[in-house]
Amino acid sequence: DQQVKQNSPSLSVQEGRISILNCDYTNSMFDYFLWYKKYPAEGPTFLISISSIKDKNEDGRFTVFLNKSAKHLSLHIVPSQPGDSAVYFCAAFQGAQKLVFGQGTRLTINP
Amino acid sequence: DTGVSQDPRHKITKRGQNVTFRCDPISEHNRLYWYRQTLGQGPEFLTYFQNEAQLEKSRLLSDRFSAERPKGSFSTLEIQRTEQGDSAMYLCASSLVLEGNEQFFGPGTRLTVL
Repeated sequence: DQQVKQNSPSLSVQEGRISILNCDYTNSMFDYFLWYKKYPAEGPTFLISISSIKDKNEDGRFTVFLNKSAKHLSLHIVPSQPGDSAVYFCAAFQGAQKLVFGQGTRLTINP
Repeated sequence: DTGVSQDPRHKITKRGQNVTFRCDPISEHNRLYWYRQTLGQGPEFLTYFQNEAQLEKSRLLSDRFSAERPKGSFSTLEIQRTEQGDSAMYLCASSLVLEGNEQFFGPGTRLTVL
């Protein structure tokens, strides 16, 4: 039972444009959401998070939007840069302890 | 370097052998987590510790798996009688309960069981 889903395995975006990565979840008890970025041969690196009491959180080029009624969140990266090319994981907290991850989306930024 | 470290980074073993991985969390982080990641999937939770107490274990953690955090600092994950299905990246993460929910991950140990 995949409680966190990232339905796009890959996304290709032109440098300078906006990248939008999407994530859906099924468990209404999730109360905190995070995005991680992963380069090959490295562990996931924390990017940005959002509490379920908010609908938007912004940090520099990264903004996360949460739509609780739709059980959907998205990560916007603008402007996209070549160094943003990586696999992005959406994750949710269950019981404020263990993270439940999506399958990941591979983002490629083209020059 | 004050990040999470894991040792070894790569391990190749034959089926049936035992392996042990080590994780050193960020200093003073009181929570330590183990996850497993297979190709094309996100990390899956295995177990976590608060200080030296193991508070939760996933159903993924069969009897062949055991984890310890004896002094509340570093942790070890042992897999006995390895099987080919154990081949995966084993990730360790740590967090400080009073400083938000972010978990900080190490580089992982890639296990290949032949």
